[in-house]
Amino acid sequence: DIQMTQSPSSLSASVGDRITITCRASQSISSYLNWYQQKPGRAPKLLIYRTSSLQSGVPSRFSGSGSGTDFTLTISSLRPEDFASYYCQQSYRTPVTFGGGTKVEI
Amino acid sequence: QVQLAESGGGVVQPGRSLRLSCAASGFTFSSNGMHWVRQAPGKGLEWVAVIWYDGSNAFYADSVKGRFTISRDNSKNTLFLQMNSLRAEDTAVYYCARDIIGSYGMDVWGQGTTVTVSS
Repeated sequence: DIQMTQSPSSLSASVGDRITITCRASQSISSYLNWYQQKPGRAPKLLIYRTSSLQSGVPSRFSGSGSGTDFTLTISSLRPEDFASYYCQQSYRTPVTFGGGTKVEI
Repeated sequence: QVQLAESGGGVVQPGRSLRLSCAASGFTFSSNGMHWVRQAPGKGLEWVAVIWYDGSNAFYADSVKGRFTISRDNSKNTLFLQMNSLRAEDTAVYYCARDIIGSYGMDVWGQGTTVTVSS
């Protein structure tokens, strides 16, 4: 199985900050990497698919990059509604696997 | 609009069975693969299973293989998850999600249904 390792597991930031979350795969997954945002008590929401494609309706302050085994999610300027948990997910092969999550707190 | 709505969750004793449903609307259900993903209380996301658009193939997480069965009825726009031999560690919110055509990403999610396995 492909293991996905996210870091950090949590971070504290302020409105307006630029933050980066890292996701590392245990083997190459080409560009088959997706990012999700989840707020407490809510379903996950797709932010970015295939490493860098912004899902419709997602603000442009979110961006993704990487290839092979190393990937990043960047939020260029944090807004209050961005405080949430973020998960990476490899969609290269089954079993599909998620990273452990990053909680972004004020 | 595109929607997924899960149902069928509840409290069940260890060793018993439960069947979850996911009703799809607003898109051509028979064109997309579908997933089940779960989240134990206070934990991260865990993928459970995927079924291809036509039901011809299905794949499972090792943790549920042999106990859970994913299926679909394209004539009724409904996805199912039959869960047998339930264990305490199956306690979670279960989400259905639409597969992004061409990959195993998930672009539409339901609101989730809660399964509690307890005696």
